[in-house]
Amino acid sequence: QQQVKQSPQSLIVQKGGISIINCAYENTAFDYFPWYQQFPGKGPALLIAIRPDVSEKKEGRFTISFNKSAKQFSLHIMDSQPGDSATYFCAASGLGLQGAQKLVFGQGTRLTINP
Amino acid sequence: ETGVTQSPTHLIKTRGQQVTLRCSSQSGHNTVSWYQQALGQGPQFIFQYYREEENGRGNFPPRFSGLQFPNYSSELNVNALELDDSALYLCASSPLRQSEAFFGQGTRLTVV
Repeated sequence: QQQVKQSPQSLIVQKGGISIINCAYENTAFDYFPWYQQFPGKGPALLIAIRPDVSEKKEGRFTISFNKSAKQFSLHIMDSQPGDSATYFCAASGLGLQGAQKLVFGQGTRLTINP
Repeated sequence: ETGVTQSPTHLIKTRGQQVTLRCSSQSGHNTVSWYQQALGQGPQFIFQYYREEENGRGNFPPRFSGLQFPNYSSELNVNALELDDSALYLCASSPLRQSEAFFGQGTRLTVV
């Protein structure tokens, strides 16, 4: 019930196209859903996040769509650029029993944008 | 405003040894979490510290321990290193136990 399932494992998109990565969760206690971008040899960088009281959040070329009833959320990258090539992780968190905000991560999607 | 910094960036240890990894949290953040990221996997939560106390722990054995200092910096200690402990260890800091977590660049630990 603590898992977050992410798909696809890898994705190749042409420059200028739309990249879409999907995640699903089981635990209805999750109340915060971030996406992280990670380049090789670096730590994950917070990209965009959403809470379940809204269905969509947009920041620049990045949009999160959230479907509370289906327990699914997705990341859309519009006008994908070669510099977007990285590994993307979805995550979910909720207040734990001891008060810890613990992030549960998906398995990651390796995105390649072809020029 | 400085971000999360970790040291060292790379480390090689022998099986059975002990290791200490260090993390300086982002300015104004008083909560620090540690994660282990195996190659090709998502980060796994080890534990979280708030006000110098551990307030949440993932599925890791007691040989993984930590500290948080009054300036909110933190250490991760791993005793009796095993080959499977080879991973990228990430520190994340958060403001006031809120959800937003900002990660450092990580420490790459190799156990041989």
